[in-house]
Amino acid sequence: GAVVSQHPSWVICKSGTSVKIECRSLDFQATTMFWYRQFPKQSLMLMATSNEGSKATYEQGVEKDKFLINHASLTLSTLTVTSAHPEDSSFYICSATGLATIGQFFGPGTRLTVL
Amino acid sequence: GIQVEQSPPDLILQEGANSTLRCNFSDSVNNLQWFHQNPWGQLINLFYIPSGTKQNGRLSATTVATERYSLLYISSSQTTDSGVYFCAVGFTGANSKLTFGKGITLSVRP
Repeated sequence: GAVVSQHPSWVICKSGTSVKIECRSLDFQATTMFWYRQFPKQSLMLMATSNEGSKATYEQGVEKDKFLINHASLTLSTLTVTSAHPEDSSFYICSATGLATIGQFFGPGTRLTVL
Repeated sequence: GIQVEQSPPDLILQEGANSTLRCNFSDSVNNLQWFHQNPWGQLINLFYIPSGTKQNGRLSATTVATERYSLLYISSSQTTDSGVYFCAVGFTGANSKLTFGKGITLSVRP
């Protein structure tokens, strides 16, 4: 149980375009989802926390207009990287937790490359 | 914010050896998780262990909450144990975000 999926697994886009990443909880209702960013050989850095039906809470230093987060249902959250630039290239990972789970469960990640 | 320190940063083992990975944290928490990040980037849940001791096969973990540290034990290591081990701490409930340590890179050689 407690499986989280992400789509796509990897994406390459041109500078200036927008990219949407989906995070789904497959077998539980995710009341809270989290979005992280990880650079090579570094730890995970929390970007934002989203609760179903509410606006996301962004960590300090994360541009909310650049990283749009939507958590419209108890099984789906999306992260949209708007007007992507090469410095946005990174590994983006989502996690989810719910009333029926203990702890956070992570998706497999999405590798974004902006050319 | 909460500070999480993991040690050692890197660890090289011969297959079959045992190891202990440590996680120190700066504040009282009621959520502590250990993860293994495989070479493809997937974080695999190992333990949810805010206190006490748990065992799962060759892995076991102990958290002493009053002294703010947790230990992950790997016995009879295998090459598939290689990867990065993260400790993450936080709270349950409304403010349930996790703070991650920098990770411990484990290499198990055949």
